[in-house]
Amino acid sequence: GNSVTQMEGPVTLSEEAFLTINCTYTATGYPSLFWYVQYPGEGLQLLLKATKADDKGSNKGFEATYRKETTSFHLEKGSVQVSDSAVYFCALIIPPGNQFYFGTGTSLTVIP
Amino acid sequence: ETGVTQSPTHLIKTRGQQVTLRCSSQSGHNTVSWYQQALGQGPQFIFQYYREEENGRGNFPPRFSGLQFPNYSSELNVNALELDDSALYLCASSLDPGQGNSPLHFGNGTRLTVT
Repeated sequence: GNSVTQMEGPVTLSEEAFLTINCTYTATGYPSLFWYVQYPGEGLQLLLKATKADDKGSNKGFEATYRKETTSFHLEKGSVQVSDSAVYFCALIIPPGNQFYFGTGTSLTVIP
Repeated sequence: ETGVTQSPTHLIKTRGQQVTLRCSSQSGHNTVSWYQQALGQGPQFIFQYYREEENGRGNFPPRFSGLQFPNYSSELNVNALELDDSALYLCASSLDPGQGNSPLHFGNGTRLTVT
């Protein structure tokens, strides 16, 4: 079946630290991959996406590279800020399907 | 551009009751999907509506039903509420049902508590 596995949280980092949140997937077809972010009290927002192998999605200093050989889509940021504190969800969809499969989320807290 | 709006924001119901949640899609979006997010979990796909018809369903029982209206707004109805239905219900709209290149735009959700 289709599924996404994320690293367990919560993750606590100091401001300006390097962030990695691991994400691996299993898919019955060729997936598109996404990272969504959920700030407290809000719905999910698209952070970045990649639709084919070796594509790199990037936004707001975050990056993730679609690695087909390792079925991974790890999220990275070189220097986190307090405002990055949120829950991060890795997700996939198998086009032209209409169902997103989400991981369980990784909570990130950045302390000054 | 108006984003996805959901109502109500919070709701408390008793086991066995019925509930209706509402969603207005983002301007220009003709597809609405509903997700259930239990505490500490990722969203789970309930179903999608496209052109007023159900266009795919996840692993949820028939007591979860929906509607989409000509203006693309949508309702989620849940009958015979159970305690496990307590969750954040998220509505998401998109430009079309084939979503590989058309990401979801989420509302802030409705927090349903069943007692």
